Amino acid sequence: ETGVTQTPRHLVMGMTNKKSLKCEQHLGHNAMYWYKQSAKKPLELMFVYNFKEQTENNSVPSRFSPECPNSSHLFLHLHTLQPEDSALYLCASSQELRDGQPQHFGDGTRLSIL
Amino acid sequence: SQQGEEDPQALSIQEGENATMNCSYKTSINNLQWYRQNSGRGLVHLILIRSNEREKHSGRLRVTLDTSKKSSSLLITASRAADTASYFCATGGSSNTGKLIFGQGTTLQVKP
Repeated sequence: ETGVTQTPRHLVMGMTNKKSLKCEQHLGHNAMYWYKQSAKKPLELMFVYNFKEQTENNSVPSRFSPECPNSSHLFLHLHTLQPEDSALYLCASSQELRDGQPQHFGDGTRLSIL
Repeated sequence: SQQGEEDPQALSIQEGENATMNCSYKTSINNLQWYRQNSGRGLVHLILIRSNEREKHSGRLRVTLDTSKKSSSLLITASRAADTASYFCATGGSSNTGKLIFGQGTTLQVKP
């Protein structure tokens, strides 16, 4: 049973829609991450939050807007996405934001842009 | 930039055989992690090996690290059908920020 829960598991949306992905961790961790996983590409780090403050934006287009209201919850707001944004979006958390910390992943949201 | 590169990209073996996956990286590291991803699921942390360690075991997993060659290997002994998954190595590169850089992974199929 994963300590990181992502909803929804699947999402199909048009390019003009607005939707949000949700991530919740029950592990008491302080750092949270958003990753994008596309076919035949390495996992891409998108955003990093530490104690609900954003510490990393890996040159992500502004059509992706993260929100971290507290250390347990992380959202990814989506608007006017492109077909190339279709991918598996994974949320992860770690106890601290420092080297050598294992990351705990949710099962992801499979996003399809029509 | 990609830090870890796994080899082979795909591996198919029979149940009971051993599976070896390799990972190469580019910059100096403090530690290296291995993760497993079952189809349609998130990644699961398997093992972490520090730069001052050469070998580490966890159940049927054996990980080696050669910092002079900037490479690591993951050995799964006596494989089972349930080991079918993708396996990724990840490093923090030369930073100490907690960010991980993942390789493209090795897809392992264990046939019953």
